[in-house]
Amino acid sequence: DGGITQSPKYLFRKEGQNVTLSCEQNLNHDAMYWYRQDPGQGLRLIYYSQIVNDFQKGDIAEGYSVSREKKESFPLTVTSAQKNPTAFYLCASSIDSGGGYTFGSGTRLTVV
Amino acid sequence: KQEVTQIPAALSVPEGENLVLNCSFTDSAIYNLQWFRQDPGKGLTSLLLIQSSQREQTSGRLNASLDKSSGRSTLYIAASQPGDSATYLCAVTPSGGSYIPTFGRGTSLIVHP
Repeated sequence: DGGITQSPKYLFRKEGQNVTLSCEQNLNHDAMYWYRQDPGQGLRLIYYSQIVNDFQKGDIAEGYSVSREKKESFPLTVTSAQKNPTAFYLCASSIDSGGGYTFGSGTRLTVV
Repeated sequence: KQEVTQIPAALSVPEGENLVLNCSFTDSAIYNLQWFRQDPGKGLTSLLLIQSSQREQTSGRLNASLDKSSGRSTLYIAASQPGDSATYLCAVTPSGGSYIPTFGRGTSLIVHP
């Protein structure tokens, strides 16, 4: 079945450490997105990519980095510059810009 | 800038009731509107996608309507069940630009037996 796979489901980060969240889709979608979800804050866009080898900053890109070397993959790195990384991270894709979204099951990141 | 509001923020109803969840948006120049369901600790599951040229979409006990001129969409849930308990979010995609949607904060629904 087609879908989006996020891994790991749970991730623990030590202070000063970079961690990478994986997002893979087999839907042949062109566009991919990363969101952060905090209680009471709703969904906030971190980065998005509408085509391979190109990506754009969202509303809260500081302290994060991404790459889009393959159509199927859009990994998110949470760097040590992100001072409050504890959150639920959601990856999504759409067939093209403006298409309906399909979401992954999320990664919960906790700083220890 | 598009603003999306969902009212009520929380709702608790007995099983069997017919429900209406509301989604309001300030800019009527939209490309589509999508309704999602989110269970605790899970990702978002798409329920219905309404294109700007459509008035409504139906899937099983769910019906979503769209009125662009008044900036409103409603999600109607018929004969609610405890398994419908979840948070329901709407996302409004603008026409033009980057086509990045604006999400509402959701309505948290509890259906009790």
